[in-house]
Amino acid sequence: DTAVSQTPKYLVTQMGNDKSIKCEQNLGHDTMYWYKQDSKKFLKIMFSYNNKELIINETVPNRFSPKSPDKAHLNLHINSLELGDSAVYFCASSQALAGANVLTFGAGSRLTVL
Amino acid sequence: RKEVEQDPGPFNVPEGATVAFNCTYSNSASQSFFWYRQDCRKEPKLLMSVYSSGNEDGRFTAQLNRASQYISLLIRDSKLSDSATYLCVVNPGPQKVTFGTGTKLQVIP
Repeated sequence: DTAVSQTPKYLVTQMGNDKSIKCEQNLGHDTMYWYKQDSKKFLKIMFSYNNKELIINETVPNRFSPKSPDKAHLNLHINSLELGDSAVYFCASSQALAGANVLTFGAGSRLTVL
Repeated sequence: RKEVEQDPGPFNVPEGATVAFNCTYSNSASQSFFWYRQDCRKEPKLLMSVYSSGNEDGRFTAQLNRASQYISLLIRDSKLSDSATYLCVVNPGPQKVTFGTGTKLQVIP
């Protein structure tokens, strides 16, 4: 069983379209994240949810809207896609232990905006 | 100043060599530190945690210097399979996990 699974793995779409990426974890973790990895390979946090509550919202355009229906799921919806949104989006989950958060990542969703 | 800084490399080393990476962090209140490994076109995976007393896992040794706010990773007897990007990771606060830009290692036959 895959611990953190995200779909789709690849997404190719036109500018201006709206798309969603889904993420599910079966580890029983309380916290889930979305990270963006751009062409320079820098992993930048976008959002973090703890038990369905948004706790981190970095400076991300409001075209990006996360939704967490329950603590095992964190989806990402992107409106009006732009060329600069092309990247790999990683979902991750963690359980804090003694103040440490060890992340388990999904395999990534590679988004290409044409 | 970036929260977590690493030399991006690449570090090109021959098989069997010893290589060391450093990483500096800006938030002195950070409590937890890790090294992750990311292979090409794959997700990052935990390599090892970094403890105040330093820790070793086979050929890998991680150390933390709180006074100077840096962590290090030493790889001995490099293997071809060690070729990857090594990411320094810091927990500057609750549920906040910050990644460095990564250091690329290429082990050459």
